[in-house]
Amino acid sequence: DTGVSQDPRHKITKRGQNVTFRCDPISEHNRLYWYRQTLGQGPEFLTYFQNEAQLEKSRLLSDRFSAERPKGSFSTLEIQRTEQGDSAMYLCASSFSQGHTDTQYFGPGTRLTVL
Amino acid sequence: GQNIDQPTEMTATEGAIVQINCTYQTSGFNGLFWYQQHAGEAPTFLSYNVLDGLEEKGRFSSFLSRSKGYSYLLLKELQMKDSASYLCAVMDSNYQLIWGAGTKLIIKP
Repeated sequence: DTGVSQDPRHKITKRGQNVTFRCDPISEHNRLYWYRQTLGQGPEFLTYFQNEAQLEKSRLLSDRFSAERPKGSFSTLEIQRTEQGDSAMYLCASSFSQGHTDTQYFGPGTRLTVL
Repeated sequence: GQNIDQPTEMTATEGAIVQINCTYQTSGFNGLFWYQQHAGEAPTFLSYNVLDGLEEKGRFSSFLSRSKGYSYLLLKELQMKDSASYLCAVMDSNYQLIWGAGTKLIIKP
């Protein structure tokens, strides 16, 4: 039984470049979440999917961020024209929705450094 | 606005007991979660409370009072590996998790 996996684990890029991260959820989970976390803070919600449908996106999320989950399995998060302020840990979590409340299980994260 | 408050940092001694408090003000309530996060790693699920009272799980217990907007995580028989951040998160009326900033727990021998 494998948990949530993310790739890459670390990414260093120059300002202005585009980056793409991948998340593979736990296989039977139908919900997938993306969060961003900076040092000393809790995770900040970015967006989430139920199967392949993107149901919610944070109002704080810039247009430079886009996420997809094309077949309801893995997901990608793309950041275009990266800025130094995008440096953070990007976390993916998945859950199996039973009714409404569900427990989210996190992947190891992708640490992004924008130079 | 929505708010989750936890102490920034706590220190305790190996073998002792520590209680980490969390108070919340959210638009609606659909349960409270506690997660453990070691430095540089992802959060791992510890407990979930939706009804008032105490939930015990081995060395860890979590308490909830919905009328007071209050929860605590109790860690017994502390071990050095318990040194981590502990995150409190509340699921609001939109079934979205609202996270606290976390409490960094330092265990001393």
